[in-house]
Amino acid sequence: GDSVTQMEGPVTLSEEAFLTINCTYTATGYPSLFWYVQYPGEGLQLLLKATKADDKGSNKGFEATYRKETTSFHLEKGSVQVSDSAVYFCALDDSNQFYFGTGTSLTVIP
Amino acid sequence: EAQVTQNPRYLITVTGKKLTVTCSQNMNHEYMSWYRQDPGLGLRQIYYSMNVEVTDKGDVPEGYKVSRKEKRNFPLILESPSPNQTSLYFCASSRRQGRSEKLFFGSGTQLSVL
Repeated sequence: GDSVTQMEGPVTLSEEAFLTINCTYTATGYPSLFWYVQYPGEGLQLLLKATKADDKGSNKGFEATYRKETTSFHLEKGSVQVSDSAVYFCALDDSNQFYFGTGTSLTVIP
Repeated sequence: EAQVTQNPRYLITVTGKKLTVTCSQNMNHEYMSWYRQDPGLGLRQIYYSMNVEVTDKGDVPEGYKVSRKEKRNFPLILESPSPNQTSLYFCASSRRQGRSEKLFFGSGTQLSVL
C-alpha cells in the first residue's frame, strides 16, 4: 500500500542555518505530494504542494521538488527563523486517501 | 471566515461511556475526514466521506463510527471508548477529494479515556 517515510526528529538548528527534511514515498499511482506544518496547539496547515513529477512547490522560503525517479519530496529552506519552529509532515494524496509521515519536529534557536 | 470547527477541544472520559466529537465546516466542502495523531505514528486516517451519505473506512476504523447526514457536519462517534483510543483527533475537509486539493484542519480534540 501507499506510505510516506520522513526523517526522524527532533531537529534543532540555529537561526539562519540551512534546513533539509527528507521525505520518500511509496505509491501505486501518481500521487500529489504535500508538506503540512503544525504549530503548537494548532491543526495542520498546508505549506506547499506539487502535483506531478519535477514540479517544485514553494512557500515562505520553503521548497520541495517532486522527484519521481527517487520517489522523494525533500523539504528545504536556506535560512531558518525562530518562527519556523513547528512539526512538519510530508503527505501524499492518492485518490481517496491522504497518507502522512510521522512528522519531524523542528526547533530553531536564536 | 473559512474554518473547520471541532468540539470539544479537550475531553476526559471513562471506559465504555459513549461520546461524540463534532466537526463542522463552513466552506461547502464535499470531502471530510477524521485522523488520529499519536507520537511516533503521525496522522492516521480513521474514516472519510466523499459527500453526504457516503462514508468509508480509513486505516484505523475499529472502535469508531461516523455519519454524514448533512454536508457541513461529520461527527465522530465512540460507542464504547477504551484507553487505547486516547489520542489527539483532527477533523479535516477539502473542496473535493482529488489531486492537489488541500485539506483544511480543525484545531484538534485531545481525548483521554481512563
